[in-house]
Amino acid sequence: GAVVSQHPSRVICKSGTSVKIECRSLDFQATTMFWYRQFPKQSLMLMATSNEGSKATYEQGVEKDKFLINHASLTLSTLTVTSAHPEDSSFYICSARETGRSSYNEQFFGPGTRLTVL
Amino acid sequence: QKEVEQDPGPLSVPEGAIVSLNCTYSNSAFQYFMWYRQYSRKGPELLMYTYSSGNKEDGRFTAQVDKSSKYISLFIRDSQPSDSATYLCAMKGGNTGKLIFGQGTTLQVKP
Repeated sequence: GAVVSQHPSRVICKSGTSVKIECRSLDFQATTMFWYRQFPKQSLMLMATSNEGSKATYEQGVEKDKFLINHASLTLSTLTVTSAHPEDSSFYICSARETGRSSYNEQFFGPGTRLTVL
Repeated sequence: QKEVEQDPGPLSVPEGAIVSLNCTYSNSAFQYFMWYRQYSRKGPELLMYTYSSGNKEDGRFTAQVDKSSKYISLFIRDSQPSDSATYLCAMKGGNTGKLIFGQGTTLQVKP
């Protein structure tokens, strides 16, 4: 149980294009999902908290117009990197918390998406 | 100063050794402390989850939390080559429940 998937696992795109990454909770409902970014040999940095049916909450320094988040259902959140540039190349990881659980309960992480912008 | 400090290593040990991984933190509001294991190009998986101070043991893994010193540790006994991975400490507390991660320590266990 508690499986989170991400699609695609790896994507290469040209500078200026937009890329959509999907995060799905496969066997549970997740009102809240989180999006992290991880640069090589660095920690996971929270980008935004995604809540089903409402606007995402972005961390300081994260451009909401560049990283569009849509949490349209209890099992799916999407992150769209708009007008991607080489500096957006990173490992993007989502996590999900089961509906009804408090904020102190476990987040289940997806396998990550490697984005390379040429 | 980062909220959570973790030595990135790399740490290389022979098979069977006892491994000690550590993190320090500055925010006294942290109450929940976690250790994640992350294999290369994969998402993190939860290893240990501890509330407040004390020890917790699970098989070959022991997590320790010393809130007075703002210091947490993960010990791995009888380390195996399959333990080779990056180990991330994470913690949360206060009102947001937001996870704050350490940088991660890369561990290599040599056969």
